[in-house]
Amino acid sequence: EAGVTQFPSHSVIEKGQTVTLRCDPISGHDNLYWYRRVMGKEIKFLLHFVKESKQDESGMPNNRFLAERTGGTYSTLKVQPAELEDSGVYFCASSQDLGGTGKQFFGPGTRLTVL
Amino acid sequence: GIQVEQSPPDLILQEGANSTLRCNFSDSVNNLQWFHQNPWGQLINLFYIPSGTKQNGRLSATTVATERYSLLYISSSQTTDSGVYFCAASNNYGQNFVFGPGTRLSVLP
Repeated sequence: EAGVTQFPSHSVIEKGQTVTLRCDPISGHDNLYWYRRVMGKEIKFLLHFVKESKQDESGMPNNRFLAERTGGTYSTLKVQPAELEDSGVYFCASSQDLGGTGKQFFGPGTRLTVL
Repeated sequence: GIQVEQSPPDLILQEGANSTLRCNFSDSVNNLQWFHQNPWGQLINLFYIPSGTKQNGRLSATTVATERYSLLYISSSQTTDSGVYFCAASNNYGQNFVFGPGTRLSVLP
């Protein structure tokens, strides 16, 4: 069974540009999460989807970040316009249980560098 | 919100040694997970353990929710155990997990 996949693995963009990150969860997992780790800081929760609905988006830093999960399958996270402080590693995770319990399986992450 | 602390921040072991990593959390939790981030950055879920004890090979974990801590035991450590170990806790069923700062483990041959 395939794990959580993320694309791209690395992205280097200039300040002000737009970047879209993609996450494909494990097949059948209704719960999808985005986290990020900026330089020197801890891994921080961004948001949680249950199928196509946003269950909790309390961790989204500002309105430059937009997450979608059309059809309840893969998800995208768009940063527009990107700022220097957005650099870091963006992780996606998925879990099976609809109630939100259970193990989260993480993707390999997308390393974003904003110059 | 919930605060998660981990100790020690760094740990160096000789291959074959045993170790205990600790995770303290500031509030009651209903979910807790341990992860291993390998040198390539991949986060591997080791245990989902909101309470009780679980074992998986050389690794075991115990969470005492009433006393707000969890322990990860590594026995007969191997060089492949090197990396950063994270504890993540949640006190809401929405699964907003809060990660600790991690323990960086280096196992020397």
